[in-house]
Amino acid sequence: AQTVTQSQPEMSVQEAETVTLSCTYDTSESDYYLFWYKQPPSRQMILVIRQEAYKQQNATENRFSVNFQKAAKSFSLKISDSQLGDAAMYFCAYRRGEDGGSQGNLIFGKGTKLSVKP
Amino acid sequence: DVKVTQSSRYLVKRTGEKVFLECVQDMDHENMFWYRQDPGLGLRLIYFSYDVKMKEKGDIPEGYSVSREKKERFSLILESASTNQTSMYLCASSFRSRGNEQFFGPGTRLTVL
Repeated sequence: AQTVTQSQPEMSVQEAETVTLSCTYDTSESDYYLFWYKQPPSRQMILVIRQEAYKQQNATENRFSVNFQKAAKSFSLKISDSQLGDAAMYFCAYRRGEDGGSQGNLIFGKGTKLSVKP
Repeated sequence: DVKVTQSSRYLVKRTGEKVFLECVQDMDHENMFWYRQDPGLGLRLIYFSYDVKMKEKGDIPEGYSVSREKKERFSLILESASTNQTSMYLCASSFRSRGNEQFFGPGTRLTVL
């Protein structure tokens, strides 16, 4: 079974600085997707960034980028120029690549709480 | 914008009561999910549905049931609420095809006294 591990329960960053959140996963499959979700204190979970395992290029969305190391099964999230609004719980998630039934399910890590200091 | 709504943000019930949590999505998604979120445990899948009237157990289905009579609506039912079911419940939906993200509702904070 696939597992997702976030080893940092809490992180802190100074406003305008850069922070990296770690995520490792365990799978025997070669076709899958990885996601980072953000859950602000208001609790609505939103997608931050998505990576397809067959793409070697790291995904980027504005100030958010990932370092995807497929062989090491590592998927870290880098937030550049941190802003107060980045303070949230961040969840790493894994999804199998196939369609149908339980293949669409996400497997989540336990989350990292990010604090941003002004 | 995709919208996933949940019937209540906060709910307080008594032990033994039957509890209904409703979730509605407006994007014609095939898949719908119910998660439970507890501090230090992340999100755990209770049940999911990939079509009307279809349901499958997730990782922690005990004490819960679900109903999906219409494509846009997915209900979570606690037949006899217990104090250990006090938690945050999140609903999500997605298209079935590969790689599609899940869209989440705002959550329902359920307290069972």
